[in-house]
Amino acid sequence: DAMVIQNPRYQVTQFGKPVTLSCSQTLNHNVMYWYQQKSSQAPKLLFHYYDKDFNNEADTPDNFQSRRPNTSFCFLDIRSPGLGDAAMYLCATSWGGNQPQHFGDGTRLSIL
Amino acid sequence: AQSVTQLGSHVSVSEGALVLLRCNYSSSVPPYLFWYVQYPNQGLQLLLKYTSAATLVKGINGFEAEFKKSETSFHLTKPSAHMSDAAEYFCAVITRKNAGNMLTFGGGTRLMVKP
Repeated sequence: DAMVIQNPRYQVTQFGKPVTLSCSQTLNHNVMYWYQQKSSQAPKLLFHYYDKDFNNEADTPDNFQSRRPNTSFCFLDIRSPGLGDAAMYLCATSWGGNQPQHFGDGTRLSIL
Repeated sequence: AQSVTQLGSHVSVSEGALVLLRCNYSSSVPPYLFWYVQYPNQGLQLLLKYTSAATLVKGINGFEAEFKKSETSFHLTKPSAHMSDAAEYFCAVITRKNAGNMLTFGGGTRLMVKP
């Protein structure tokens, strides 16, 4: 049973063309995270929501934004993708505190 | 600030051999530690977690890890490697920030299993 679902699994977009990645969860966790992972590297946190409170990492480019319309869904918007934004994007959820994070299978983004 | 270091970006073992993936942590407070596995083109799957209840932690797929405070280590082991264990493994520590918990990852270790 999939608990953190990311769509699509693979996304191709053109340089500079806005793209949205989606994440949904059935765990009812109050925290949702977005990570960027490049080849042979650890995931890098972009931002997270604690309930409706948005928390941006200091080094996350302005080009990346997020929306969380309700507990179950969270979106990652890339306003003007550059070639350097090609990566795997991972969504994760958690209860916070000392609880582990649960990851989706990711969306691999390619930029033409 | 909490951090983890994984020694060895690549580890190669023969099928049936012992798997040992090393992780050392740095923390001024009792750490909460995790091991995750990532198969190609998939997300991270939780293997096991240390939350101070027991120093020897058993996880899924036959893996276990031992928390050693004196060595600041949390190495991952499996007695007998299987071909399906070939994957990337990440050690991570919780770093609290704001109201959510943050994970600080090690650099990852790619495990290769030879027939």
